[in-house]
Amino acid sequence: QLQLQESGPGLVKPSETLSLTCTVSGDSISSSPYYWAWIRQPPGKGLEYIGSLSYSGSTFYNPSLTSRVTISVDTSKNQVSLKLRSVTAADTAVYYCARKGDGSGSQYLYWGQGTLVTVSS
Amino acid sequence: QSVLTQPPSVSAAPGQKVTISCSGSSSNIGNNYVSWYQQLPRTAPKLLIYDNNKRPSGIPDRFSGSKSGTSATLGITGLQTGDEADYYCGTWDSGLSAVVFGGGTKLTVL
Repeated sequence: QLQLQESGPGLVKPSETLSLTCTVSGDSISSSPYYWAWIRQPPGKGLEYIGSLSYSGSTFYNPSLTSRVTISVDTSKNQVSLKLRSVTAADTAVYYCARKGDGSGSQYLYWGQGTLVTVSS
Repeated sequence: QSVLTQPPSVSAAPGQKVTISCSGSSSNIGNNYVSWYQQLPRTAPKLLIYDNNKRPSGIPDRFSGSKSGTSATLGITGLQTGDEADYYCGTWDSGLSAVVFGGGTKLTVL
């Protein structure tokens, strides 16, 4: 059973870099021909796509965040990472990592439980 | 302002049927597959429908999806109180080269 677990600081200061890690268990990232994504949800609001990483190494980012975000994979640790630079209070959200299922479209079957990151001094 | 448009809320009685609409454009729904998610309070989203009308293993057939042109619809029959949740549609947007979501619809089972 594939499991995803997000981890990282729950509090980040404005202008600093938010760094989160998604640890994958139950499958090897390097052997999986799937897309991995980060999605966030501000308190009381809807889902927002941050970006995704394909098994071939291609990355796709939300145009509104592309100048500040980097998604990468560490196959040796079976982890997917997110870095969001120059954060502001608007970046306060629950951050989810997710993996695509077997379908053709952009859909996410597996999700982590999410981690709340608050941006505040 | 979300790229995909959903009604903020819908409601129906237990046992009844409800539909939730998702409207987009040719750059997203019109030319890409649609998925639907259910989010219960304080939990991660759960995939209900993918590729417009397919259900992942374990999702009951009370949930169905359809697409026509630049709009998609989620249908739920035999409503249960446990279906009270927020529902989101999502798809790829070829113009943005990004996944886009609707703003979410809160389902109340009266």
